[in-house]
Amino acid sequence: EVQLVESGGGLVKPGGSLRLSCATSGFTFSNAWMSWVRQAPGKGLEWVGRIKRIIDGGATDYAAPVKGRFTISRDDSENTLYMQMNSLKTEDTALYYCVAGLGATPLDAWGQGILVTVSS
Amino acid sequence: DIVMTQSPDSLAVSLGERATISCKSSQSVLSSSNNKNCLAWYQQKPGQPPKLLIYWASARESGVPDRFSGSGSGTDFTLTISSLQAEDVAAYYCHQHCSIPWTFGRGTKVETK
Repeated sequence: EVQLVESGGGLVKPGGSLRLSCATSGFTFSNAWMSWVRQAPGKGLEWVGRIKRIIDGGATDYAAPVKGRFTISRDDSENTLYMQMNSLKTEDTALYYCVAGLGATPLDAWGQGILVTVSS
Repeated sequence: DIVMTQSPDSLAVSLGERATISCKSSQSVLSSSNNKNCLAWYQQKPGQPPKLLIYWASARESGVPDRFSGSGSGTDFTLTISSLQAEDVAAYYCHQHCSIPWTFGRGTKVETK
């Protein structure tokens, strides 16, 4: 069974930092493109960024609102995805989903999400 | 950026009736590399993560009931629920992954009438 479990969320002040983790199991992590997608309270889905497989160069891409502030990385030995979030803004408040591309699309399997609240 | 425009924002349908959701992209999402449309549909029930229903515009994900179907090509796409069931009450999102940044439609809420 495919599982993605996010952790590391919480309440942080504007300008602060957080590091999200996503522990995975049930699929070959090193073969998957991995992404983060967020959803502000009561709003729709917003793609945050993606990291390719290491064999594809491990390249990352980001949405404009987070570029230069968020950094996605992966540890294939631990089957874990990370996202370092710096210079957080109130508008970054959202439920953050870890998402795996297993073959059908880049966003096949989703975690349950972790809440990040940026507030003074 | 490719803008995905969904309509309607919300839809009330009687149980057993058809529900149709439209998604239009501001540019073609037909991939030149494989001649497939990089268009997916997701269902999100309250308090749950999104679930993949349809990929490549018309391929049904394993385990998805056959009352769900996707159609369209280029810039115009449709998700159809042929006979609405109570468990289909949810928000539905279209998504393109042809071009970075990947983008989603704003969502359509389907309710029972």
